[in-house]
Amino acid sequence: ELKVEQNPLFLSMQEGKNYTIYCNYSTTSDRLYWYRQDPGKSLESLFVLLSNGAVKQEGRLMASLDTKARLSTLHITAAVHDLSATYFCAVGTWNNNDMRFGAGTRLTVKP
Amino acid sequence: GAGVSQSPRYKVAKRGQDVALRCDPISGHVSLFWYQQALGQGPEFLTYFQNEAQLDKSGLPSDRFFAERPEGSVSTLKIQRTQQEDSAVYLCASGPTGNTDTQYFGPGTRLTVL
Repeated sequence: ELKVEQNPLFLSMQEGKNYTIYCNYSTTSDRLYWYRQDPGKSLESLFVLLSNGAVKQEGRLMASLDTKARLSTLHITAAVHDLSATYFCAVGTWNNNDMRFGAGTRLTVKP
Repeated sequence: GAGVSQSPRYKVAKRGQDVALRCDPISGHVSLFWYQQALGQGPEFLTYFQNEAQLDKSGLPSDRFFAERPEGSVSTLKIQRTQQEDSAVYLCASGPTGNTDTQYFGPGTRLTVL
């Protein structure tokens, strides 16, 4: 059974600092997704990573995928308050329409 | 352009009542997914449609849960004889292709069973 683990589950950081969120998964997969969710809102797609070594960047967020290690990271650079939200990783497979989510990382950026 | 819409946004039901949750996907989208998100948790897959065909319903927690998409557009998730453990946000997502690569999520329906 595919299991997805994120850590940390809670992250409080100061503006201007850097940090990394980790996403480990238990079985082979070639599709990894990162989503953002604001309180009371739905999920917003951030990144879709489809191959080993894939790296994507958008603003202060950068995501990478290592399929051999079954690990994806979401790196936050020089955090700002607007990044406060819950970040989910999700793992899917080509032949399986199922997508399994991690428990989420609740990020709070303090001034 | 219009995104995925869901109705109602909030639903309170007494235990034992039946409820129906509606999802209007983005026009022309082939795939449609339903997820259940408990408080403080990540979404959990319930079921998947490709057009009108329900290709995967392995995530439905019990036979009280039923989903349909008869014309390949609007979908309804029905929960019969609701239980307190059914309380959650039910998210619908649609995508232009037949896989999970691009999904657009709706705002969700928050179901509270008393």
